[in-house]
Amino acid sequence: DQQVKQNSPSLSVQEGRISILNCDYTNSMFDYFLWYKKYPAEGPTFLISISSIKDKNEDGRFTVFLNKSAKHLSLHIVPSQPGDSAVYFCAATFSGGYNKLIFGAGTRLAVHP
Amino acid sequence: DAGITQSPRHKVTETGTPVTLRCHQTENHRYMYWYRQDPGHGLRLIHYSYGVKDTDKGEVSDGYSVSRSKTEDFLLTLESATSSQTSVYFCAISENYSGNTIYFGEGSWLTVV
Repeated sequence: DQQVKQNSPSLSVQEGRISILNCDYTNSMFDYFLWYKKYPAEGPTFLISISSIKDKNEDGRFTVFLNKSAKHLSLHIVPSQPGDSAVYFCAATFSGGYNKLIFGAGTRLAVHP
Repeated sequence: DAGITQSPRHKVTETGTPVTLRCHQTENHRYMYWYRQDPGHGLRLIHYSYGVKDTDKGEVSDGYSVSRSKTEDFLLTLESATSSQTSVYFCAISENYSGNTIYFGEGSWLTVV
């Protein structure tokens, strides 16, 4: 039973446009969410996070939105660049949980020139 | 980049042999983790450590053991490797036990033949 789901295995976007990656979770105890980017043959790189006390967090071209009632979060990348092409993982954890992360299966983003 | 070094980076071993993967950190972070990544599953937690000699199981711990005798080193051992343990293994570190960014190493590719 997957507690964190990324239902789109892949996404293709044109350079300069917005990329929207989605993530759903089932466990209402989760209160801290993170997005990681992963290039082939490298480790996951932290991108952005959000606490459940917020509904939005922004860092440059990256914005994460959290809808607690829907148990849904999304990552917006604006504008998308070819270097953003990677696999994006959504992860969740909860307070006092030793930062043990539950990951989604990932979404492969391809940004085309 | 977080100071995390994994060794070996690549290994091919035979079924039934013991294998040890090492994670070394230079950040003096208290919390360390071992994850494995498999297609369709994202990353899944194998074991984690919340201090020297303090370890606990994650969601896919069967067939694995860990040890942490020093703050900087976290070892993952496959006592008798099986083909189902062919995977990419990632070590991660975290400074505190909740609400912090978790940083990943570059991965160890293990093939069991």
